[in-house]
Amino acid sequence: KQEVTQIPAALSVPEGENLVLNCSFTDSAIYNLQWFRQDPGKGLTSLLLIQSSQREQTSGRLNASLDKSSGRSTLYIAASQPGDSATYLCAVIRLFVGTDSWGKLQFGAGTQVVVTP
Amino acid sequence: NAGVTQTPKFRILKIGQSMTLQCAQDMNHNYMYWYRQDPGMGLKLIYYSVGAGITDKGEVPNGYNVSRSTTEDFPLRLELAAPSQTSVYFCASSYRGTYHNEKLFFGSGTQLSVL
Repeated sequence: KQEVTQIPAALSVPEGENLVLNCSFTDSAIYNLQWFRQDPGKGLTSLLLIQSSQREQTSGRLNASLDKSSGRSTLYIAASQPGDSATYLCAVIRLFVGTDSWGKLQFGAGTQVVVTP
Repeated sequence: NAGVTQTPKFRILKIGQSMTLQCAQDMNHNYMYWYRQDPGMGLKLIYYSVGAGITDKGEVPNGYNVSRSTTEDFPLRLELAAPSQTSVYFCASSYRGTYHNEKLFFGSGTQLSVL
């Protein structure tokens, strides 16, 4: 059974520092991995999606890496800003098997980030 | 486009009461999903739908029912509310299934307390 873990559960950094968020998963047979941002009282917003054949994805100040062999993904946020304060969740989809009609997302519990001015 | 709209945002129920959480999307998405998020936990899938008239159970379907009579709407029904159903509920949608590397779009959630 796939287990997705995000450590630490909470993180506080001063503005301008780079953020490094970790996601680990137990089954390396994944289809893709996604990173989401969740703001208080709001839904999740998709940030980056890394296909299993890819090593990383970048969008602006965000860079996500994927190492399937070690079961890890890292989300880097460069030059953090107070507006980056949110909870960040990762989720994986397992490789397709014959009984699947669609890919179920398996979520981690998230890392709550606070960026202080 | 409004995206995915959920109502209500907050609700308090007494044990044994029933209610329907509404979800609507205006993006012509085929796939729709209901998740619940408990404190300190990841999201768990309750039910999903791959199109109008087609629904199926997720990981934690007990105590819930769904219907999908139109492409736009995917209501979640709680028949006999229990304290264990206290949670934040999220509706999401995507045009194709997740094996097409498509992103999910989420609503802003419904915070439900059962007392």
